[in-house]
Amino acid sequence: SYVLTQPPSVSVAPGKTARITCGGDNIGSKSVHWFQLKPGQAPVLVIFDGNNRPSGIPERFSGSNSGNTATLTISRVEAGDEADYYCQLWDNSSDHWVFGGGTELTVL
Amino acid sequence: EVQLVESGGGLVKPGGSLRLSCAASGFTFSNYIMNWVRQAPGKGLEWVSSISSSNYIFYADSVKGRFTISRDNAKNSLFLQVNSLRAEDTAVYFCARGGGAVPFDSWGQGTLVTVSS
Repeated sequence: SYVLTQPPSVSVAPGKTARITCGGDNIGSKSVHWFQLKPGQAPVLVIFDGNNRPSGIPERFSGSNSGNTATLTISRVEAGDEADYYCQLWDNSSDHWVFGGGTELTVL
Repeated sequence: EVQLVESGGGLVKPGGSLRLSCAASGFTFSNYIMNWVRQAPGKGLEWVSSISSSNYIFYADSVKGRFTISRDNAKNSLFLQVNSLRAEDTAVYFCARGGGAVPFDSWGQGTLVTVSS
């Protein structure tokens, strides 16, 4: 089955740029979505189809996807961005949705 | 406003069963693929099951044969019958709207299922 690999944690200072990667075989050919999850809250879609932001998501959030790596970039990081972030895609070969293991973003 | 409200969770013994529900409002429920996703304590998100508007169904390997997803479009409701529960099924279960060309753009707050003797 298809595997998505994320770093367990990323740390960044306020005002700096955070980059969270999601690795997968030829992931650049797939549609990747990103979710933010804070404790006790519902997940929030922050990027869909690689680099599209839902309404209400700040422009500071962006995505890219090429080769074997998709990346969520958060510019001018704020304390409120501290959360777990998950990538997700549909695996056509297994007819399964697949989530990455999640990355804990810490704002220093 | 899109709203998804889960219910039906609780404490159940290993081998037991529960029926989870998700009440939807604020959108045309029958037009959307619906999903269940879970998060075990201290773990990541795990997709559980999806059902299309025409009842085309998919399950994760970890729950196939034990869980059954269904929907009632007339009542704007999504269900998950969970049987033969194991300790590793302990999790918060979220319902989410989306699938196919539509990402999981709306989620409920989740309902907690605890499997313990």
